[in-house]
Amino acid sequence: EVQLLESGGGLVQPGGSLRLSCAASGFTFPTYALSWVRLPPGQGLEWVSAISAGGDSTFYADSVKGRFTISRDNSKNTLYLQMNILRAEDTAVYYCAKAGSLTQRGLLDYWGQGTLVTVSS
Amino acid sequence: EIVMTQSPATLSVSPGERATLSCRASQSISSSLAWYHQKPGQAPRLLIYGASTRATGIPARFSGSASGTEFTLTISSLQSEDFAVYYCQHYHSWPPTFGQGTKVEIK
Repeated sequence: EVQLLESGGGLVQPGGSLRLSCAASGFTFPTYALSWVRLPPGQGLEWVSAISAGGDSTFYADSVKGRFTISRDNSKNTLYLQMNILRAEDTAVYYCAKAGSLTQRGLLDYWGQGTLVTVSS
Repeated sequence: EIVMTQSPATLSVSPGERATLSCRASQSISSSLAWYHQKPGQAPRLLIYGASTRATGIPARFSGSASGTEFTLTISSLQSEDFAVYYCQHYHSWPPTFGQGTKVEIK
C-alpha cells in the first residue's frame, strides 16, 4: 500500500523559513517523480513544485520560484520542500504526491494527508 | 502556462441524479487531463486520467470524455460519498495546472 506522510508544518512569521518532509513507503521510491501541491484556505489546489525520479530535474510554480527548493533523498525514501522568505499567501495545507507513471510526471496518483503551514505575525 | 477553466463553480444535485462537470484548457493538451475529488479534511483522490480512464478502484458511475480542449466528467447517479469538490488538472507540460474546482453539493 502506497503511503505518503508529510511533516514539518507549523506557524512561522513572514520572512521566515520552514522545511517540509514527506516520508514514503509502499512503492519503489527512486523510480517515480514527486510533487508538492498546496491548498490555501478557501481556495483551490495549486501545484507548487516537482522533482524527477533521480533528483536531477526540478520544476517550480512562478509563485515560489527562487524562494522554495525541492529535494529528495532516495536512500531514505523522503521528499523535502525548503521554504524561505515565506509570505502570508503561502499559508496552505501542503500535500506531497506521487507521479502516476514514469513518463507522465505531472499526473498524481497518490497523495499524503497534508501538513498545515501558517505564515502570520 | 496553460489555464484550466471549470464550470459551474457550484452544482446542486439530488442523490441518484446525474452530474455533469466541465473543464476547458486554454490550449491543446491532447488527452493529458485528470480529474480529482476532495472532501473536507481529506487528501485529493485521482478519479480519471488520460481524459477517460478510470483510476484503480473508481466506480463505473464516473466517466470522462473529451472534445478538443473541452473535457467532461459525468457522475451517472450521485451517491452520498460523491459530494465533494472536483478538480481537473492537465499534465501536458510544466506547470501542471488545476482548474479552480467545482463544488458538488446536495440539493
